[in-house]
Amino acid sequence: DTGVSQNPRHKITKRGQNVTFRCDPISEHNRLYWYRQTLGQGPEFLTYFQNEAQLEKSRLLSDRFSAERPKGSFSTLEIQRTEQGDSAMYLCASSLDFAADTQYFGPGTRLTVL
Amino acid sequence: GNSVTQMEGPVTLSEEAFLTINCTYTATGYPSLFWYVQYPGEGLQLLLKATKADDKGSNKGFEATYRKETTSFHLEKGSVQVSDSAVYFCALRMKTSYDKVIFGPGTSLSVIP
Repeated sequence: DTGVSQNPRHKITKRGQNVTFRCDPISEHNRLYWYRQTLGQGPEFLTYFQNEAQLEKSRLLSDRFSAERPKGSFSTLEIQRTEQGDSAMYLCASSLDFAADTQYFGPGTRLTVL
Repeated sequence: GNSVTQMEGPVTLSEEAFLTINCTYTATGYPSLFWYVQYPGEGLQLLLKATKADDKGSNKGFEATYRKETTSFHLEKGSVQVSDSAVYFCALRMKTSYDKVIFGPGTSLSVIP
């Protein structure tokens, strides 16, 4: 069990650029979640997958955001035309299956939009 | 909608002091309740959980009891250490929908020697 990994750990970009983050969940975990955390706040849900199916998207996830989990393993989160308000820590978590309460979090990707 | 409220921080305590961090929730059904901890420079970790009323979650000397009548899940520790300095998040997950975790805003704890 190597834990949830996320890449890159830090990303600095200019407003208007596109960025993509990757999350590798714990092996055999069917559920994968994306959250966003801003300074001084708790994580806010963005979206989640059951295997390759995206089951729910938060209203926080505007049409500039897209997430995929093409083979039910790793996932990518893309932000198009980044805005300064997108600056945050993007967290990925995984859990064994739908009934498993425990979600295991990765270290996060910190995005700074200049 | 479902939500979690926590006492505001930061909280500063001396080593070996008693800790209480208040947490209350609003939910339309019967959630599972959690405390997550985020140590400086590290990712979120599950500290403890309780899945039904009157259950007590415990780990590393921390405890919290699921109180349905007061919709609360207060975190307590009898004697804090410097190494407990972290941000603590109360959270819930609805068992009926088996989906996302809803987090509170977090409470920062600093323990001084």
